[in-house]
Amino acid sequence: DAGVTQSPTHLIKTRGQQVTLRCSPISGHKSVSWYQQVLGQGPQFIFQYYEKEERGRGNFPDRFSARQFPNYSSELNVNALLLGDSALYLCASSLGGLAGANVLTFGAGSRLTVL
Amino acid sequence: QKEVEQDPGPLSVPEGAIVSLNCTYSNSAFQYFMWYRQYSRKGPELLMYTYSSGNKEDGRFTAQVDKSSKYISLFIRDSQPSDSATYLCAMSFISSGSARQLTFGSGTQLTVLP
Repeated sequence: DAGVTQSPTHLIKTRGQQVTLRCSPISGHKSVSWYQQVLGQGPQFIFQYYEKEERGRGNFPDRFSARQFPNYSSELNVNALLLGDSALYLCASSLGGLAGANVLTFGAGSRLTVL
Repeated sequence: QKEVEQDPGPLSVPEGAIVSLNCTYSNSAFQYFMWYRQYSRKGPELLMYTYSSGNKEDGRFTAQVDKSSKYISLFIRDSQPSDSATYLCAMSFISSGSARQLTFGSGTQLTVLP
């Protein structure tokens, strides 16, 4: 069974550019969450989507946006990149709903470097 | 003060040792407690998940939760070199819109020496 797949795995951008990261959840999972993990720190919650609706947003600026598609895949967009946006961006999927929401399965992440 | 504080490590132990990893938290609304393992260049992998206070055992791993003290631990018995990884504690509660976001500790890097 395929796990959570993310693309691209690595990318380098310059300050001010925009980036789009993509995530395909495990088949049957309806919820996708995004986390940012800065080197040496734990992941920090950015967004959760369930059934194509935003269900939660962490303490991130409006430069960060996301969406979920009818097939439950998701994109994370970051505009006007700053050096501090350099991090590993993790996507996690779960069944969603109250019972299954806590069991998150993470992808390997997209490592973004901003120069 | 961070909501979740984790012993930073790094921690280095000989093979076969018992390892204790610890986190404290300040938000009494946390209901669910998890331990994730993260190998280098990989995403976090769920090890243990628990809801209530007390102990939960799974093979060589035991998760302990003390809600009264706001303290959780992960014990690894008979540690193996393959256990070398970063261990992350994580907690969650139901926020608005039925979202369950995880709040992670900063991670403890563990090395088990052969």
